[in-house]
Amino acid sequence: TQLLEQSPQFLSIQEGENLTVYCNSSSVFSSLQWYRQEPGEGPVLLVTVVTGGEVKKLKRLTFQFGDARKDSSLHITAAQPGDTGLYLCAGAEGTYKYIFGTGTRLKVLA
Amino acid sequence: DADVTQTPRNRITKTGKRIMLECSQTKGHDRMYWYRQDPGLGLRLIYYSFDVKDINKGEISDGYSVSRQAQAKFSLSLESAIPNQTALYFCATSDTGQGNTGELFFGEGSRLTVL
Repeated sequence: TQLLEQSPQFLSIQEGENLTVYCNSSSVFSSLQWYRQEPGEGPVLLVTVVTGGEVKKLKRLTFQFGDARKDSSLHITAAQPGDTGLYLCAGAEGTYKYIFGTGTRLKVLA
Repeated sequence: DADVTQTPRNRITKTGKRIMLECSQTKGHDRMYWYRQDPGLGLRLIYYSFDVKDINKGEISDGYSVSRQAQAKFSLSLESAIPNQTALYFCATSDTGQGNTGELFFGEGSRLTVL
């Protein structure tokens, strides 16, 4: 089974700061997804990246898939309290079987 | 109403008891999954099913069993619950239709405590 390690595990920052979350594996994935989870709810998809080196932007969030498709990063610019939550990466093993990372819990203070 | 519904949302039980968590979906998706979530470990795959006749073990299937009663229903059973099965359990679905992104749609979770 492929393993996905996320760092940092916890992050507490002030509103307006920038941050980057990393998702790393020693194995290659066919695609990678990022989800955000809020308390009492299930994870919700933010983005899917498929091509090595791909960069996708979603408002203040920038997602990058590593050239070798083994790692990914999520960068948030000017974080807001509404960005608070648990961020999870998920790599695809084969077709549509996703293995999740260990998670990064983000808290943005007003 | 939620597209993916899990019952019960919360359950406290004792060691050795049999527990069933149920999941139903109105999305018409063929693929269904059961994950458990523990702090610091993310989501780990227990079982997944790509259609009614297809059941596959995930990373951590020991101590669990599943049943795909219909396309819309996928239940998870703990035949003899133990304390280290205390966790938050999620059901998810995905579609294999043309052009889909493989997005997983999750239920709201079932919190299980085994005493």
